[in-house]
Amino acid sequence: NAGVMQNPRHLVRRRGQEARLRCSPMKGHSHVYWYRQLPEEGLKFMVYLQKENIIDESGMPKERFSAEFPKEGPSILRIQQVVRGDSAAYFCASSPTSGSDEQFFGPGTRLTVL
Amino acid sequence: QKEVEQNSGPLSVPEGAIASLNCTYSDRVSQSFFWYRQYSGKSPELIMSIYSNGDKEDGRFTAQLNKASQYVSLLIRDSQPSDSATYLCAVPGRRDSWGKFQFGAGTQVVVTP
Repeated sequence: NAGVMQNPRHLVRRRGQEARLRCSPMKGHSHVYWYRQLPEEGLKFMVYLQKENIIDESGMPKERFSAEFPKEGPSILRIQQVVRGDSAAYFCASSPTSGSDEQFFGPGTRLTVL
Repeated sequence: QKEVEQNSGPLSVPEGAIASLNCTYSDRVSQSFFWYRQYSGKSPELIMSIYSNGDKEDGRFTAQLNKASQYVSLLIRDSQPSDSATYLCAVPGRRDSWGKFQFGAGTQVVVTP
């Protein structure tokens, strides 16, 4: 039973490029969450999605960041025109039902912006 | 005031001893609470969830919840070097944002042989 899958595990981008991070939830899970962990800082919520719907994006920066969870395929976190401050670990989590359920994390994508 | 607060540590614990980790939260209506373990450079791993006042035991781990005091704790019995990690307390958001887990900054535990 595969867990939450994320790819790529490591991503290097130059300033101004785009970063696309992908997340496939655990089998049977329809709720996906994205978190960011800056170096030496805690986990911060970014966005909560269900299939084809954004439920809560209160943690997403207003500009350059977007997320989607299409009917088919993985959830995508997209960062346009990356800056050095975007360098962080981005974790995806999933749960089987609504938000207060246990969330299970993927291995994360480490983004480095040069 | 932070929504979820933990002592940052490091908490140094001799091998075989009990590690005691504390977490306080600000939202009185919170109903569920989670403890995650995160090894350096790795992702958070769920180790305990607790929903009712009192104690919940799972192997060497015991979670304790006191909603009146807005306090949740984690005890690790017979601590092993493999328990050396950062432990994160997580609390879901309010009814209109349950999926928004609020994490504490984490307590680093170091188990010394």
